[in-house]
Amino acid sequence: KQEVTQIPAALSVPEGENLVLNCSFTDSAIYNLQWFRQDPGKGLTSLLLIQSSQREQTSGRLNASLDKSSGRSTLYIAASQPGDSATYLCAVRRSNAGNMLTFGGGTRLMVKP
Amino acid sequence: NAGVMQNPRHLVRRRGQEARLRCSPMKGHSHVYWYRQLPEEGLKFMVYLQKENIIDESGMPKERFSAEFPKEGPSILRIQQVVRGDSAAYFCASSPLQGGQPQHFGDGTRLSIL
Repeated sequence: KQEVTQIPAALSVPEGENLVLNCSFTDSAIYNLQWFRQDPGKGLTSLLLIQSSQREQTSGRLNASLDKSSGRSTLYIAASQPGDSATYLCAVRRSNAGNMLTFGGGTRLMVKP
Repeated sequence: NAGVMQNPRHLVRRRGQEARLRCSPMKGHSHVYWYRQLPEEGLKFMVYLQKENIIDESGMPKERFSAEFPKEGPSILRIQQVVRGDSAAYFCASSPLQGGQPQHFGDGTRLSIL
């Protein structure tokens, strides 16, 4: 059974800091990994998707890496801003388990002005 | 270019009533997924549907819950005889192809049971 863990569960940083969010998964046989952002009371916004054959993806100030063999992914946020405050979720799609996503518990990020 | 549309956004039901949650996928998407987010818990997969077919319902409770995605119209998640423990945010996602493509999520339906 695939399990996804995100560390830390919560993070508070001053504006301008670079930060790293961690995601680990127990079964390395994944099809892809997706990072989402969730604002309070809102749905999920897809940030980055990394296919199993890829090492990293970049979008603006965000960079996600994937090390499938060790079961890890990181989301790097450069020059954090108060508007980055949200819960960040990682989710994996397993190769042999249909199309559903298995989610981590999320990291609640607070960026202080 | 509308995204995934869910309605209602908020739904209040009394114990024993029925709840119907609707999801219209993004244009061109034929795959729909339902997830549930219980208070203080992560999102959990419930069911995966294509038009007129349930592909995987391994995450859906065996009793009281059902889902459909008819040839015409939105996907429906139906909860019969609701109980307090059904209170949660229910999210729908869609994708155009099996695998490979990202899933796009709606804003969810927040179900509260009195």
